Amino acid sequence: EVQLLESGGGLAQPGESLRLSCAASGFTLSIYAMSWVRQAPGKGLEWVSTISGSGGEIYYADSVKGRFTISRDNSKNTLYLQMNSLRADDAAVYYCARDDCGARCYIRFDHWGQGTLVTVSS
Amino acid sequence: SYVLSQPPSVSVAPGQTARMTCEGNNIGSKSVHWYQQKPGQAPVLVVYDDSDRPSGIPERFSGSNSGNTATLTISRVEAGDEADYYCQVWDSRGYLFVFGAGTKVTVL
Repeated sequence: EVQLLESGGGLAQPGESLRLSCAASGFTLSIYAMSWVRQAPGKGLEWVSTISGSGGEIYYADSVKGRFTISRDNSKNTLYLQMNSLRADDAAVYYCARDDCGARCYIRFDHWGQGTLVTVSS
Repeated sequence: SYVLSQPPSVSVAPGQTARMTCEGNNIGSKSVHWYQQKPGQAPVLVVYDDSDRPSGIPERFSGSNSGNTATLTISRVEAGDEADYYCQVWDSRGYLFVFGAGTKVTVL
């Protein structure tokens, strides 16, 4: 059974950093591209970042470019999101999601984690 | 960047048919995917590649895509179908995923 379990969310002050993790199980992480998608309270889904199976291709939404870094450790079956210079509008539930297209193919998300809440407030 | 437009809400009586649209420039040339999200839960893929259903999704869920409009149809609506529904595409020009703002389906 495919499972994605996010962790690392919490309360941060504006300008601080957080690192999110997503532990994957039930499948071989390296053969899938993975993404982070966020959802601010009461708002819709917003794509944040995507990384290919090997980590060689990385894409970011303009809203986080230069502040967030996506990475993966396939040997540990874990996806990461390093979030620096956090702003109030980064507050959201952050989901990791698997793209079932393949390692270097980007189409859709067939499995999602339950999400981890990030709060940014002074 | 590519924009997807969805109506904010759709209301439907039990047993009737709910239809919701997702509009985008020449969206018919793209593969459209639909997600269902119930309160407090993660999104679930209900239709992919315009009209295919993942295993476990009832046949009541169907999709179509042509021109500038993609449509998700839920037949014989049940109370359990009440949720937010999001359309999504991959923008291969900008190398980014795009979501619509979502449609809230209310079962009367």
